[in-house]
Amino acid sequence: EAQVTQNPRYLITVTGKKLTVTCSQNMNHEYMSWYRQDPGLGLRQIYYSMNVEVTDKGDVPEGYKVSRKEKRNFPLILESPSPNQTSLYFCASSFVGHYNEQFFGPGTRLTVL
Amino acid sequence: GENVEQHPSTLSVQEGDSAVIKCTYSDSASNYFPWYKQELGKGPQLIIDIRSNVGEKKDQRIAVTLNKTAKHFSLHITETQPEDSAVYFCAASMRTGGFKTIFGAGTRLFVKA
Repeated sequence: EAQVTQNPRYLITVTGKKLTVTCSQNMNHEYMSWYRQDPGLGLRQIYYSMNVEVTDKGDVPEGYKVSRKEKRNFPLILESPSPNQTSLYFCASSFVGHYNEQFFGPGTRLTVL
Repeated sequence: GENVEQHPSTLSVQEGDSAVIKCTYSDSASNYFPWYKQELGKGPQLIIDIRSNVGEKKDQRIAVTLNKTAKHFSLHITETQPEDSAVYFCAASMRTGGFKTIFGAGTRLFVKA
C-alpha cells in the first residue's frame, strides 16, 4: 500500500530534551516536506526537500532541523524543544513535476512541557 | 510572500444542501490550487485540484472554480452527505526552485442529517 508513515504518533516530552520524528514514504517520491498545524493557522511549512541531500527552509524553520540522506526518509529533529513547538506535525511527499500533489502522513501530536 | 485567506471558518449545512468554501490568494505566480479534506485524527487528503490554465474542474459532487484575475478560487460540494463533515483546506502552490505551498486556515464543515 502506498503511504507516508510517521513515528511516533504521539509524544510528550520536556523542554530541552532532543527528539526526532521520523517520516518514511514508499512511493519513490523525490519531494518531501514537514508542516505544523495549529488552530486557526492551517498548515505551515517547516522544511522541504526536493531530493536526497537537498533541503530548504519553509515559512517557520526556527528551532527545527531536517536531513535527507535517503530518498524514502525525511526525519524532523528538534534539538532543544520548547513549549511553543507543541503542535500537530505532518510529513508529506510528492513527485517533482510542474505541480506537487502531496500525500500526507497520519500526523504526530507533540506536547512539550 | 504568498498569503491565502479562506472563508468561512465554520460552515453548517443540512444534508442534501450545497456547501461553498472560498479562498483568495495574493501572489499571481501561484499556478496550482489543491483542496484537501482532513477527517478527525487523520492527515489531509487531496480531493480535487485545479491548475492555473483551467477555470473549472468537476469530479462527481465536488467542483472547483478559479478566477485568476480576481485571485479567487472556490470549492463547491453538492448534495452534501454526513460523511462530507470534515475540515477542508485550500492551498496555493508555485514552483520556485522548490515547491512553495501556502495553506488557508481551514473550514470546518458540519453536515446535519
